Amino acid sequence: SAVISQKPSRDICQRGTSLTIQCQVDSQVTMMFWYRQQPGQSLTLIATANQGSEATYESGFVIDKFPISRPNLTFSTLTVSNMSPEDSSIYLCSVERGIVGYNEQFFGPGTRLTVL
Amino acid sequence: GQQVMQIPQYQHVQEGEDFTTYCNSSTTLSNIQWYKQRPGGHPVFLIQLVKSGEVKKQKRLTFQFGEAKKNSSLHITATQTTDVGTYFCAGPHRDDKIIFGKGTRLHILP
Repeated sequence: SAVISQKPSRDICQRGTSLTIQCQVDSQVTMMFWYRQQPGQSLTLIATANQGSEATYESGFVIDKFPISRPNLTFSTLTVSNMSPEDSSIYLCSVERGIVGYNEQFFGPGTRLTVL
Repeated sequence: GQQVMQIPQYQHVQEGEDFTTYCNSSTTLSNIQWYKQRPGGHPVFLIQLVKSGEVKKQKRLTFQFGEAKKNSSLHITATQTTDVGTYFCAGPHRDDKIIFGKGTRLHILP
């Protein structure tokens, strides 16, 4: 299994400000993933954070809005920039771990963001 | 693009009744995963199915992967209050990134 922590666990922010979310894993992983989950909805992949290279963003998400850092194999940050109420959501980081052909995703506890 | 669809969106069952959620993909999947998310919690991995027609059991939970590897089901026998939550199926997209279905929210009536 993987132990993943996220900071902050929740925050209430003003429109136009930015928030950086931290994700720490208990062991080295190649890829870390950032998801968004709006209330009562499914998980939407924002981007994949690769160590040593730029993050790979999914359709509808751009680096200017969601800059990501991946300074080492156990840590990543996601910044939600110039926030609006539509960014209110739960943001989760996850890692994939397992043997070849059998990979399960472990999720962090999430960061609950409310934008006023 | 590839889609993973789940039905039903919501299900209310009496405690002790059975529950089934279905997952359908628009394309053939190399594998399918199931996750459970308790209210206020984060998704927790339950199982992964890889083989065509595969059936796996975890106590009262039975997971099935279709012969064509485009659909899957999760069946819970004799539901308990601890089964409350949202059940997501997920399948690999391009570059093996996981796409999640919209989930089935299970509510147990005492």
